[in-house]
Amino acid sequence: NAGVTQTPKFRVLKTGQSMTLLCAQDMNHEYMYWYRQDPGMGLRLIHYSVGEGTTAKGEVPDGYNVSRLKKQNFLLGLESAAPSQTSVYFCASSYEEGDTEAFFGQGTRLTVV
Amino acid sequence: AQSVTQPDIHITVSEGASLELRCNYSYGATPYLFWYVQSPGQGLQLLLKYFSGDTLVQGIKGFEAEFKRSQSSFNLRKPSVHWSDAAEYFCAVLLYNQGGKLIFGQGTELSVKP
Repeated sequence: NAGVTQTPKFRVLKTGQSMTLLCAQDMNHEYMYWYRQDPGMGLRLIHYSVGEGTTAKGEVPDGYNVSRLKKQNFLLGLESAAPSQTSVYFCASSYEEGDTEAFFGQGTRLTVV
Repeated sequence: AQSVTQPDIHITVSEGASLELRCNYSYGATPYLFWYVQSPGQGLQLLLKYFSGDTLVQGIKGFEAEFKRSQSSFNLRKPSVHWSDAAEYFCAVLLYNQGGKLIFGQGTELSVKP
């Protein structure tokens, strides 16, 4: 049982490049989330999904896009990376709202130079 | 607006000493509250959660937290800290009926002196 798996774990991008972060969960969870973690700011929600085929904006969505074509996968895209997007990105999933905990991936450390 | 505040950015305690990490929240409805721990280079692990009922909740690794509605607080405690408890701790509130989003505090980094 792998839980929540993020790919890749590390990446360095040049300004203007694009990339996609993959989050996969094998727990049949409906809800999935992308957060970014920056020093002194905790985790902030970028986008989330409450089921296959749905996405919604979180607190800091600008510069990111997401897709949830399959229930088990939640993709985070950066179309044109900027240094301000240097961060650690965490994916999380939960079975349903409220009553269960969210399970987190190990994180992706992204540096944009 | 909903928010979570952890007033202490960094705390250092001696091994064997007691620990209390503070968390205050601002949320209009009954809060669902969580404490997560993050070891260096790792993801977040749930320590404990409060949904309703007994205001003193027990978690893993000997941690407990007390929900105080009158003070809008959910402080984390441990009677005797171990060196392995050194990590970053995050308090969070769940936005119910809003997609299950979590609002996190800024985090408190715990160092443990031998």
